[in-house]
Formats: sequence, structure tokens, C-alpha cells
Amino acid sequence: AQKVTQAQTEISVVEKEDVTLDCVYETRDTTYYLFWYKQPPSGELVFLIRRNSFDEQNEISGRYSWNFQKSTSSFNFTITASQVVDSAVYFCALSHGSGNTGKLIFGQGTTLQVKP
Amino acid sequence: SQTIHQWPATLVQPVGSPLSLECTVEGTSNPNLYWYRQAAGRGLQLLFYSVGIGQISSEVPQNLSASRPQDRQFILSSKKLLLSDSGFYLCAWSRESGNQPQHFGDGTRLSIL
Repeated sequence: AQKVTQAQTEISVVEKEDVTLDCVYETRDTTYYLFWYKQPPSGELVFLIRRNSFDEQNEISGRYSWNFQKSTSSFNFTITASQVVDSAVYFCALSHGSGNTGKLIFGQGTTLQVKP
Repeated sequence: SQTIHQWPATLVQPVGSPLSLECTVEGTSNPNLYWYRQAAGRGLQLLFYSVGIGQISSEVPQNLSASRPQDRQFILSSKKLLLSDSGFYLCAWSRESGNQPQHFGDGTRLSIL
């Protein structure tokens, strides 16, 4: 069965601290995709990144970076020099590698609070 | 560019009343469409998805239903709402080829009294 686990329910940091959000997944597929989404207090989900199972290169986008490690089935997300605007719920998600349904399995989310 | 519209933003309904939430996508054709529910403080539960007009797949048994009368229109309905139907409902779309990112609407906060 496929599963996504975000063990950290809530994280609180002070502005400018670095913070890492953990994501561990389970799948039997050899081809799969991983995603991160941000849900600010307004409620809409904002797509951040997609990574396929064949690409283990880490990615950096501004203050955001992602560490994909197939050996540990993890896809962790780091925010460097956090800001108050980073406060949100962050979701990790997993999709099947075959078919065109595009269904996603979401983790339970990690609530990040960045205090000034 | 593509946009997704979802309405209403908030809704308060009595138990036993009907429900109709609408979602439309602009700027793309043949999208995959999805309805999710998010209970307070919890993750997203996929309710329905559709890969084409009239093609609806249900993920969980419940008293909700979905329809796709047009290519870019997705409707979530209920004949009689239950208290347990309260939650935050999100519509999303993705390109028809699999594993593309899903893009979400602003959501509907539904409260059942």
C-alpha cells in the first residue's frame, strides 16, 4: 500500500532559523512522483515542487531546498532563514507512476509557525 | 494561463438539506478534476476524481456525489447533508497526462448545523 508520513505535526521556530520538514513515503511502484504543497491560513494549496523517482538530485529554489533520498524513502523540505510568511501547513504527497488519473496520496501535514 | 474557480467560499447549511458546490477551470482542456475534503486540523481526503466528461470515480463511500456535465466543470452534490459532512472542500485540476501537479481552488468552508 502507498503511504506518506509526516511525523512532525507542528513545528515552531523563530524568524531566521532554518527548519526541515520531514516526509517519509511507502510505495511498491518503481516509478512514482513526490510533491510538496503549502497551505497558508487562507486555505488554498500552493504547489511547490514535483520530483520523479528517477531524479535524486537535490533542488534549491531561493530559500527552499529539497533532499530526495530513495535509500531512506524520504523527501525532506528545508526552509533556510525562515520568515513569518512561511507560516503555513505543508503537505507532502505521492502519486502513482502509471496511468493518467494523477491521484495523490497526502501526508497529514506539518504546521509550521514562524515567530517574529 | 489556467485558473480554477470554486464557489461558494463559505456555506452554512442545516442537516438534511441539499448541497451543490461548483468548480470550473479555465485556460485548459481535458483536465483531470478532483474533489477533496479536509477535516479541521487534518490532511486531505480524495473524494472523487474525473478524467473526462461523465467519468467519475469515487474514492470513499459516503452520501456525496459528483458530476462533470462539461469538460471543465465539476460539481459536488448531496441530497441530504449530515453533520459529518462539515469540512473544507477543495477542488483541483491537473493536466490529463498522469503525475502532473494538481492546482487547487480557494476552497469552500462548509458548516452543517
